[in-house]
Amino acid sequence: AQTVTQSQPEMSVQEAETVTLSCTYDTSESDYYLFWYKQPPSRQMILVIRQEAYKQQNATENRFSVNFQKAAKSFSLKISDSQLGDAAMYFCAYKGSNYKLTFGKGTLLTVNP
Amino acid sequence: GAVVSQHPSWVICKSGTSVKIECRSLDFQATTMFWYRQFPKQSLMLMATSNEGSKATYEQGVEKDKFLINHASLTLSTLTVTSAHPEDSSFYICSASSGGRQTTDTQYFGPGTRLTVL
Repeated sequence: AQTVTQSQPEMSVQEAETVTLSCTYDTSESDYYLFWYKQPPSRQMILVIRQEAYKQQNATENRFSVNFQKAAKSFSLKISDSQLGDAAMYFCAYKGSNYKLTFGKGTLLTVNP
Repeated sequence: GAVVSQHPSWVICKSGTSVKIECRSLDFQATTMFWYRQFPKQSLMLMATSNEGSKATYEQGVEKDKFLINHASLTLSTLTVTSAHPEDSSFYICSASSGGRQTTDTQYFGPGTRLTVL
């Protein structure tokens, strides 16, 4: 079974600074997808970024980028120029051949003004 | 695009009653819908997967007679919590995917339903 580990229960960052959230996963599959979802206080899950395992190039979405290290099974999220609206719970998720999402336990990000 | 709605957003009911939660994909056809449960400050736990026109597939440990799932159309799935008890109080979230059981498909989430059973 696949597992997703987020080792940082909480993180904080100053507004306009950069923060990196860690995620590691365990799988025996070679073809899979990785996601970062954001859950703000409203509790609406929002897709932040997606990475296909077969792509070597790291995905980027505006201020959000990932560092995907397939051999190390690591998938960290970097948020640049942090904004107050980035404050939320961030979940790393894995999707393999069984089409189901496996979530990590989440990292609560606080952005300080 | 890819908007998923849930209704109601919150519900309070008495112990022993049944509660129905609706999940709708508003701008796409959802071949597959997923139902999750989330306890406070915890991650999402998949309860079941439903495909339009077929029976839902439940995760291990989830009582299928307690949590009835129907996916009658490509835009609507319902979760009915039968004979609800206080331990069923939780936040229930649905998600929808347009492509079925494809690894490439992204799940889009509804806003969730907070259920409180008195």
